[in-house]
Amino acid sequence: TQLLEQSPQFLSIQEGENLTVYCNSSSVFSSLQWYRQEPGEGPVLLVTVVTGGEVKKLKRLTFQFGDARKDSSLHITAAQPGDTGLYLCAGGNAGNMLTFGGGTRLMVKP
Amino acid sequence: ETGVTQTPRHLVMGMTNKKSLKCEQHLGHNAMYWYKQSAKKPLELMFVYSLEERVENNSVPSRFSPECPNSSHLFLHLHTLQPEDSALYLCASSQRGVYSYGYTFGSGTRLTVV
Repeated sequence: TQLLEQSPQFLSIQEGENLTVYCNSSSVFSSLQWYRQEPGEGPVLLVTVVTGGEVKKLKRLTFQFGDARKDSSLHITAAQPGDTGLYLCAGGNAGNMLTFGGGTRLMVKP
Repeated sequence: ETGVTQTPRHLVMGMTNKKSLKCEQHLGHNAMYWYKQSAKKPLELMFVYSLEERVENNSVPSRFSPECPNSSHLFLHLHTLQPEDSALYLCASSQRGVYSYGYTFGSGTRLTVV
């Protein structure tokens, strides 16, 4: 069974601070995806990384896939209240079956 | 508009009731999924349908019964549920076999069993 562990589980910061969320596994994945979920809604895909060492940027969000394709990180620069939500990482295999991490609940206070 | 529509958004049912959740996608995806999301637990995969054929059933109790009449529609039939079944039930679709393809989720059905 493939497992993904996310840390931290909860994070409360002030607007303007930087933060990093980690997603770790002992398994190798074909792809790693990050989703954001707001209360009362389903998760929304932010990014997919597929190559070991790959870095993708989406405005103030930077995503990195580990060289061995077992871990990933999400870094947010100058967090804003609109970044508040549940961040989920998900590892994909060749058949595109996803294994989800437990999530990081982020709250950004104005 | 997420591309995946779930109805109803909220459902309260008694333990002896029978109800159904509906999911619809018109994205041309060939796979659909049911997930359960409870507080303090990771997303739990319940069922996977690929090209209308069930390919995965993760030891889900028989009181949950899925149905996929075509590639655009997915149902979850519920009967004699327990209070611990209260959760957010999410439907998703994707292009199976394309490992980098993301899932598109619906907004979910918030189910409360009383």
